[in-house]
Amino acid sequence: GNSVTQMEGPVTLSEEAFLTINCTYTATGYPSLFWYVQYPGEGLQLLLKATKADDKGSNKGFEATYRKETTSFHLEKGSVQVSDSAVYFCALSGGYSTLTFGKGTMLLVSP
Amino acid sequence: DVKVTQSSRYLVKRTGEKVFLECVQDMDHENMFWYRQDPGLGLRLIYFSYDVKMKEKGDIPEGYSVSREKKERFSLILESASTNQTSMYLCASRTTGEPGFNEQYFGPGTRLTVT
Repeated sequence: GNSVTQMEGPVTLSEEAFLTINCTYTATGYPSLFWYVQYPGEGLQLLLKATKADDKGSNKGFEATYRKETTSFHLEKGSVQVSDSAVYFCALSGGYSTLTFGKGTMLLVSP
Repeated sequence: DVKVTQSSRYLVKRTGEKVFLECVQDMDHENMFWYRQDPGLGLRLIYFSYDVKMKEKGDIPEGYSVSREKKERFSLILESASTNQTSMYLCASRTTGEPGFNEQYFGPGTRLTVT
Protein backbone atom coordinates (compact mmCIF):
# COMPACT_ATOMS: atom_id res chain seq x y z
CA GLY A 1 0.00 0.00 0.00
CA ASN A 2 0.88 3.66 -0.04
CA SER A 3 3.07 5.16 2.65
CA VAL A 4 4.90 8.39 3.42
CA THR A 5 7.99 8.70 5.59
CA GLN A 6 9.21 12.05 6.80
CA MET A 7 11.98 13.02 9.15
CA GLU A 8 11.19 13.12 12.80
CA GLY A 9 11.24 16.40 14.62
CA PRO A 10 11.38 18.71 16.17
CA VAL A 11 13.62 20.58 13.80
CA THR A 12 15.05 23.58 15.63
CA LEU A 13 16.53 26.45 13.63
CA SER A 14 17.50 30.04 14.09
CA GLU A 15 15.81 32.72 12.02
CA GLU A 16 17.23 33.03 8.48
CA ALA A 17 18.64 29.49 8.51
CA PHE A 18 18.15 27.09 5.61
CA LEU A 19 15.43 24.47 6.04
CA THR A 20 15.15 20.96 4.64
CA ILE A 21 12.50 18.49 5.72
CA ASN A 22 12.91 15.12 4.05
CA CYS A 23 9.98 13.16 2.68
CA THR A 24 10.04 9.85 0.82
CA TYR A 25 7.11 7.82 -0.36
CA THR A 26 5.99 4.40 -1.53
CA ALA A 27 3.10 4.27 -3.96
CA THR A 28 1.69 2.43 -6.91
CA GLY A 29 1.08 4.39 -10.06
CA TYR A 30 1.76 8.11 -10.29
CA PRO A 31 0.49 9.90 -7.23
CA SER A 32 0.28 13.64 -6.68
CA LEU A 33 2.40 14.93 -3.79
CA PHE A 34 1.60 17.61 -1.24
CA TRP A 35 2.99 19.52 1.69
CA TYR A 36 0.47 20.71 4.26
CA VAL A 37 1.23 23.01 7.19
CA GLN A 38 -0.54 23.18 10.55
CA TYR A 39 -0.03 26.32 12.64
CA PRO A 40 -0.67 26.06 16.38
CA GLY A 41 -4.35 25.63 17.17
CA GLU A 42 -5.42 25.43 13.55
CA GLY A 43 -6.34 22.87 10.91
CA LEU A 44 -4.12 21.91 7.99
CA GLN A 45 -3.50 24.25 5.06
CA LEU A 46 -2.13 23.23 1.70
CA LEU A 47 1.36 24.70 1.34
CA LEU A 48 2.35 23.39 -2.09
CA LYS A 49 1.78 20.52 -4.47
CA ALA A 50 3.21 18.69 -7.47
CA THR A 51 1.22 16.46 -9.75
CA LYS A 52 3.87 14.75 -11.88
CA ALA A 53 7.55 13.83 -11.91
CA ASP A 54 10.01 16.75 -12.01
CA ASP A 55 7.31 19.26 -11.11
CA LYS A 56 8.38 21.85 -8.58
CA GLY A 57 5.78 23.17 -6.18
CA SER A 58 6.42 26.50 -4.51
CA ASN A 59 4.64 28.89 -2.16
CA LYS A 60 5.65 31.49 0.47
CA GLY A 61 9.35 30.82 -0.20
CA PHE A 62 8.99 27.06 0.27
CA GLU A 63 9.83 24.66 -2.57
CA ALA A 64 9.68 20.92 -3.20
CA THR A 65 10.49 18.92 -6.32
CA TYR A 66 8.78 15.66 -7.24
CA ARG A 67 11.64 13.17 -7.75
CA LYS A 68 10.35 9.90 -9.11
CA GLU A 69 13.79 8.27 -9.32
CA THR A 70 14.37 8.71 -5.60
CA THR A 71 10.66 8.69 -4.62
CA SER A 72 11.19 11.90 -2.70
CA PHE A 73 9.52 15.27 -2.19
CA HIS A 74 11.79 17.18 0.19
CA LEU A 75 10.62 20.57 1.49
CA GLU A 76 13.12 23.45 1.42
CA LYS A 77 13.22 27.12 2.32
CA GLY A 78 16.22 29.35 2.00
CA SER A 79 15.59 31.57 5.02
CA VAL A 80 13.09 30.62 7.69
CA GLN A 81 11.19 33.06 9.88
CA VAL A 82 9.76 32.70 13.38
CA SER A 83 6.31 32.72 11.79
CA ASP A 84 7.19 29.48 9.94
CA SER A 85 7.07 27.57 13.23
CA ALA A 86 4.45 24.89 12.66
CA VAL A 87 3.98 21.20 11.94
CA TYR A 88 4.60 20.17 8.33
CA PHE A 89 2.96 17.12 6.75
CA CYS A 90 3.98 15.42 3.54
CA ALA A 91 1.15 13.59 1.76
CA LEU A 92 0.36 11.70 -1.41
CA SER A 93 -2.86 11.07 -3.26
CA GLY A 94 -4.03 7.53 -3.49
CA GLY A 95 -7.06 5.75 -4.81
CA TYR A 96 -10.60 6.96 -4.19
CA SER A 97 -9.45 10.57 -3.82
CA THR A 98 -7.86 9.88 -0.45
CA LEU A 99 -4.60 11.22 0.95
CA THR A 100 -1.93 9.31 2.83
CA PHE A 101 -0.04 11.49 5.29
CA GLY A 102 3.34 11.25 6.93
CA LYS A 103 3.55 11.60 10.70
CA GLY A 104 4.43 15.27 10.58
CA THR A 105 7.56 17.23 11.41
CA MET A 106 7.49 20.04 13.92
CA LEU A 107 9.58 23.08 13.03
CA LEU A 108 10.63 25.53 15.73
CA VAL A 109 12.32 28.76 14.65
CA SER A 110 13.91 31.00 17.24
CA PRO A 111 14.72 34.71 16.80
CA ASP B 1 -12.53 31.29 0.16
CA VAL B 2 -13.42 27.72 0.95
CA LYS B 3 -14.67 27.37 4.47
CA VAL B 4 -14.90 24.14 6.42
CA THR B 5 -16.35 24.52 9.88
CA GLN B 6 -16.60 22.07 12.73
CA SER B 7 -19.24 22.33 15.41
CA SER B 8 -16.93 22.43 18.42
CA ARG B 9 -13.27 23.23 19.02
CA TYR B 10 -13.20 21.38 22.34
CA LEU B 11 -15.46 18.63 23.62
CA VAL B 12 -15.42 16.57 26.81
CA LYS B 13 -17.56 13.43 26.99
CA ARG B 14 -17.90 10.46 29.32
CA THR B 15 -17.14 6.86 28.47
CA GLY B 16 -20.15 5.17 26.88
CA GLU B 17 -21.78 8.38 25.62
CA LYS B 18 -22.89 8.74 22.02
CA VAL B 19 -20.95 11.59 20.45
CA PHE B 20 -21.70 13.58 17.29
CA LEU B 21 -19.05 15.64 15.53
CA GLU B 22 -20.41 17.90 12.82
CA CYS B 23 -18.67 19.29 9.79
CA VAL B 24 -20.03 21.76 7.25
CA GLN B 25 -18.45 23.03 4.04
CA ASP B 26 -19.69 25.90 1.93
CA MET B 27 -18.16 25.17 -1.48
CA ASP B 28 -20.49 22.48 -2.81
CA HIS B 29 -17.73 19.86 -2.67
CA GLU B 30 -18.78 16.30 -3.37
CA ASN B 31 -16.09 14.62 -1.29
CA MET B 32 -15.73 14.89 2.48
CA PHE B 33 -13.38 13.18 4.95
CA TRP B 34 -12.89 12.54 8.64
CA TYR B 35 -9.40 12.07 10.11
CA ARG B 36 -8.02 11.71 13.58
CA GLN B 37 -4.68 13.20 14.50
CA ASP B 38 -2.54 11.74 17.26
CA PRO B 39 1.02 12.61 18.32
CA GLY B 40 3.55 10.41 16.59
CA LEU B 41 0.91 8.90 14.31
CA GLY B 42 0.04 11.79 12.04
CA LEU B 43 -3.36 11.85 10.37
CA ARG B 44 -5.32 8.67 9.86
CA LEU B 45 -8.43 8.43 7.73
CA ILE B 46 -11.55 7.22 9.54
CA TYR B 47 -14.30 7.54 6.90
CA PHE B 48 -14.95 9.45 3.73
CA SER B 49 -17.87 10.20 1.49
CA TYR B 50 -17.94 10.68 -2.26
CA ASP B 51 -21.35 12.28 -2.27
CA VAL B 52 -24.64 12.54 -0.44
CA LYS B 53 -25.67 9.28 1.25
CA MET B 54 -22.42 7.61 0.21
CA LYS B 55 -19.72 6.51 2.62
CA GLU B 56 -16.54 4.48 2.56
CA LYS B 57 -14.40 3.11 5.35
CA GLY B 58 -10.95 4.53 5.76
CA ASP B 59 -8.01 3.01 7.56
CA ILE B 60 -9.42 3.03 11.11
CA PRO B 61 -13.26 2.89 11.00
CA GLU B 62 -13.75 0.70 14.07
CA GLY B 63 -15.85 2.36 16.73
CA TYR B 64 -17.08 5.09 14.37
CA SER B 65 -19.90 5.66 11.92
CA VAL B 66 -20.82 8.57 9.65
CA SER B 67 -23.82 10.25 8.14
CA ARG B 68 -24.13 12.38 5.00
CA GLU B 69 -27.74 13.38 4.47
CA LYS B 70 -26.94 16.72 2.85
CA LYS B 71 -24.10 17.60 0.56
CA GLU B 72 -22.62 20.28 2.79
CA ARG B 73 -22.71 18.31 6.05
CA PHE B 74 -20.74 15.25 7.14
CA SER B 75 -21.19 13.90 10.64
CA LEU B 76 -18.91 11.57 12.57
CA ILE B 77 -20.58 9.46 15.23
CA LEU B 78 -18.96 7.67 18.13
CA GLU B 79 -21.63 5.14 19.10
CA SER B 80 -20.15 4.50 22.55
CA ALA B 81 -17.21 6.72 23.32
CA SER B 82 -14.11 5.16 24.84
CA THR B 83 -10.98 6.70 26.30
CA ASN B 84 -8.88 5.53 23.35
CA GLN B 85 -10.96 7.81 21.14
CA THR B 86 -9.54 10.85 22.88
CA SER B 87 -7.95 12.68 19.97
CA MET B 88 -8.02 15.65 17.60
CA TYR B 89 -10.60 15.12 14.84
CA LEU B 90 -10.19 16.90 11.53
CA CYS B 91 -12.76 17.20 8.78
CA ALA B 92 -11.84 17.97 5.17
CA SER B 93 -13.58 18.49 1.86
CA ARG B 94 -12.20 18.05 -1.61
CA THR B 95 -12.34 20.10 -4.71
CA THR B 96 -13.23 18.12 -7.81
CA GLY B 97 -10.36 19.33 -9.93
CA GLU B 98 -8.59 17.72 -12.83
CA PRO B 99 -7.49 14.08 -12.52
CA GLY B 100 -4.58 13.70 -10.13
CA PHE B 101 -5.20 17.03 -8.47
CA ASN B 102 -6.47 16.15 -5.08
CA GLU B 103 -6.35 19.15 -2.79
CA GLN B 104 -8.33 18.84 0.41
CA TYR B 105 -9.49 21.77 2.55
CA PHE B 106 -9.46 21.26 6.30
CA GLY B 107 -11.53 22.52 9.19
CA PRO B 108 -9.93 23.78 12.43
CA GLY B 109 -10.38 20.50 14.26
CA THR B 110 -12.27 19.28 17.32
CA ARG B 111 -10.24 18.19 20.30
CA LEU B 112 -12.28 15.45 21.96
CA THR B 113 -11.52 14.20 25.45
CA VAL B 114 -13.29 11.08 26.71
CA THR B 115 -13.10 10.59 30.46
